[in-house]
Amino acid sequence: DIVMTQSPDSLAVSLGERATITCKSSQSVLYSSNNKNYLAWYQQKPGQPPKLLIYWASTRESGVPDRFSGSGSGTDFTLTISSLQAEDVAVYYCQQYYSTLHTFGQGTKLEIK
Amino acid sequence: EVQLLESGGGLVEPGGGSLRLSCAASGFTFSSYSMSWVRQAPGKGLEWVSLINESGGNRFYADSVKGRFTISRDNSKNTLYLQMNSLRAEDTAIYYCAKMLLTGPLDYWGQGTLVTVSS
Repeated sequence: DIVMTQSPDSLAVSLGERATITCKSSQSVLYSSNNKNYLAWYQQKPGQPPKLLIYWASTRESGVPDRFSGSGSGTDFTLTISSLQAEDVAVYYCQQYYSTLHTFGQGTKLEIK
Repeated sequence: EVQLLESGGGLVEPGGGSLRLSCAASGFTFSSYSMSWVRQAPGKGLEWVSLINESGGNRFYADSVKGRFTISRDNSKNTLYLQMNSLRAEDTAIYYCAKMLLTGPLDYWGQGTLVTVSS
């Protein structure tokens, strides 16, 4: 199985500041035939199901604010929130869908400082 | 509007109990999309459980449930299922069904159904 490891486990950022979460996979999730990274990011707020933010490592889902961006390739990925808003308080998860077992990272809890 | 409505959760005793979860889908062409189950133990992170392709011919499972859980679908009823046998305390979780976009990311999720395995 591909193991996904996020860092940090929790993060406190001031409003308007940048938040950065990293995700590392135990093997590459870059599919060479189409040059796509099989990596997604989700946001989960308390009491709600997760929401898809980004897929193919850097493609924003429709309706997701452009302050959210994804980057990286191979085994190392980053989710960046360029200017933190109060409504961004949540737990963020990465997920790989390269293998047939679509594993998640352990999650990163984002709070306001 | 895409809607996914899970049902069938509840309290079951460990060591042999079974449950069958259902997920009724609407607002999209169900037979054209792969579907997944994801669970979340109380206060914990997300755990991918299983996926099934559009026709039901391909099914995959997390190691933690392989041999005990069976995913299936009825495209004539727009419904996804998860048959859970030999339930254990560690299977206690909210179970979400989710629609797969393209080859893997989950773009729509249900609200979940709670499964509690306890004596």
